[in-house]
Amino acid sequence: TQLLEQSPQFLSIQEGENLTVYCNSSSVFSSLQWYRQEPGEGPVLLVTVVTGGEVKKLKRLTFQFGDARKDSSLHITAAQTGDTGLYLCAGSNQGGSEKLVFGKGTKLTVNP
Amino acid sequence: KAGVTQTPRYLIKTRGQQVTLSCSPISGHRSVSWYQQTPGQGLQFLFEYFSETQRNKGNFPGRFSGRQFSNSRSEMNVSTLELGDSALYLCASGLGRNTEAFFGQGTRLTVV
Repeated sequence: TQLLEQSPQFLSIQEGENLTVYCNSSSVFSSLQWYRQEPGEGPVLLVTVVTGGEVKKLKRLTFQFGDARKDSSLHITAAQTGDTGLYLCAGSNQGGSEKLVFGKGTKLTVNP
Repeated sequence: KAGVTQTPRYLIKTRGQQVTLSCSPISGHRSVSWYQQTPGQGLQFLFEYFSETQRNKGNFPGRFSGRQFSNSRSEMNVSTLELGDSALYLCASGLGRNTEAFFGQGTRLTVV
């Protein structure tokens, strides 16, 4: 069974601070996705990374896929209250299965 | 382009009853996946349909079932509801194999 471990589970910071959340696995994934979910809503796709070592930037968010395609990180610069939410990583395996494997998420709270 | 639509948004049922949830995917998407989300377990995969065929199934009891229609709309059914079935049920659509998932807002099911 493929598992994705996310850390930290909870993170509470002040507006303007930087933060990094992690997504780790012992399995190799063909691609990895990051989602943000707000309370009572479905997850919204932020980015997909497919190449080992790939770095993608989305405004203040920087996503990195590990060289071995087993881990990923999300770095937020100068966090804003609007960044508050549950950040989920999800991996697609190489076995051809359709299902995405999700981590349990990092719950981020950015305080004003 | 309309997003994934799930109905109803909220539902309260009594133990022992059954429930049917509906999902309309993004136009052109033929893959529909269902997930159960609870605070303790995170997002857990229920099943995935593609062109009316179930291609993957998660580790849930047989009380959980689903189907997909020729227009790609999908329904999931839970029979003999238990208190532990209370959760946010999310539907995601995609183009196909190992592609990005686009989620609906979910159906919040409460079993009393």
